Amino acid sequence: LAKTTQPISMDSYEGQEVNITCSHNNIATNDYITWYQQFPSQGPRFIIQGYKTKVTNEVASLFIPADRKSSTLSLPRVSLSDTAVYYCLVGDMGDSNYQLIWGAGTKLIIKP
Amino acid sequence: SQTIHQWPATLVQPVGSPLSLECTVEGTSNPNLYWYRQAAGRGLQLLFYSVGIGQISSEVPQNLSASRPQDRQFILSSKKLLLSDSGFYLCAWRRATSGYTFGSGTRLTVV
Repeated sequence: LAKTTQPISMDSYEGQEVNITCSHNNIATNDYITWYQQFPSQGPRFIIQGYKTKVTNEVASLFIPADRKSSTLSLPRVSLSDTAVYYCLVGDMGDSNYQLIWGAGTKLIIKP
Repeated sequence: SQTIHQWPATLVQPVGSPLSLECTVEGTSNPNLYWYRQAAGRGLQLLFYSVGIGQISSEVPQNLSASRPQDRQFILSSKKLLLSDSGFYLCAWRRATSGYTFGSGTRLTVV
């Protein structure tokens, strides 16, 4: 099971682009990278998932370099409501029994 | 669309009392089901997962047990709660090649 490393916390301001980087040096060939967002007293919510290069959806982009040993979640033009904890997880999506190791995540605080 | 229901939202129980938390999933069949616990300011800890009716795998030895009596029902139980069982409990489901969908969670306080 691949272990991930993220910054414990980050601050930014409304309207800015925020990039959160995750390190996963021992990522396996079949592993995908998934990011979740969690607000206090709520379950984590899926944001984006990717395998390599770049993935973009309506809320975020995910950049994955060729060696896949890290990934960067990019949140464009953040607002106060983006204040949350963000988790980077790595796992074999094709394995029905796979489990993810959840770190403490990155606490993102957006200021006015 | 798929939905996951988890209840109750909050629970205060005395030490030594039993526990039963229920989770049900709608709109999908044969999901993988999971129970997680989250301590304050920490990441999620996997407690149990199930790939089918009656199939339970335990990740952490503890004072808790899980059961899956129906395809879309997952129950977390304890015969006698300990203070250390306090936490935020989350049920989740997942199908192969997709991410997790979590319930709204239960805040358990053992007093």
